[in-house]
Amino acid sequence: NAGVTQTPKFRVLKTGQSMTLLCAQDMNHEYMYWYRQDPGMGLRLIHYSVGEGTTAKGEVPDGYNVSRLKKQNFLLGLESAAPSQTSVYFCASSPGQGPFYNYGYTFGSGTRLTVV
Amino acid sequence: QQPVQSPQAVILREGEDAVINCSSSKALYSVHWYRQKHGEAPVFLMILLKGGEQKGHDKISASFNEKKQQSSLYLTASQLSYSGTYFCGTEIKNTNAGKSTFGDGTTLTVKP
Repeated sequence: NAGVTQTPKFRVLKTGQSMTLLCAQDMNHEYMYWYRQDPGMGLRLIHYSVGEGTTAKGEVPDGYNVSRLKKQNFLLGLESAAPSQTSVYFCASSPGQGPFYNYGYTFGSGTRLTVV
Repeated sequence: QQPVQSPQAVILREGEDAVINCSSSKALYSVHWYRQKHGEAPVFLMILLKGGEQKGHDKISASFNEKKQQSSLYLTASQLSYSGTYFCGTEIKNTNAGKSTFGDGTTLTVKP
């Protein structure tokens, strides 16, 4: 099925380790997003991209970096993981703004990250 | 600016109605609504782009009051399957940023 695929689904890191989360979409969407969701909380925007080669900071960007070298992929990197980054990470995509903007976000199934 | 959702939680019996509100301190370009089941990803319900717009999806509908900078989600004759956490996402007008900020969610529990 078409959609947003996130890898990995689960990961346990030690403090100070680094990792990259991969998000891939096959809907030809222009916009892609990384959100984190802490237990019982809403979604907090980390970084986003409005097109290939572009990235921008969201509400909680510190400690994370992103890259969008190809339109279909959006990578989220943690350079030096900290326990405060324990969370569920969701990637999402959308067609973007414009006269045909009647679609919301399509979310991936999430990555559960624990930093010990 | 994060939108404010109310109430934080609702408990209903099957067949009862509920209203969830989403308010912003800024003028809005769009409001979209999602439902998230425990341990799953949020699922898109609907998006509203124009003031006064109303949309429906089965027995779930929403309205967008542009002047009041708020949207309401209406769940009619609730079913067990409606249980979950409902989030509104808002895009601020005139920023052309293409990003949405989400509320903290409203947890809806429908009991038999």
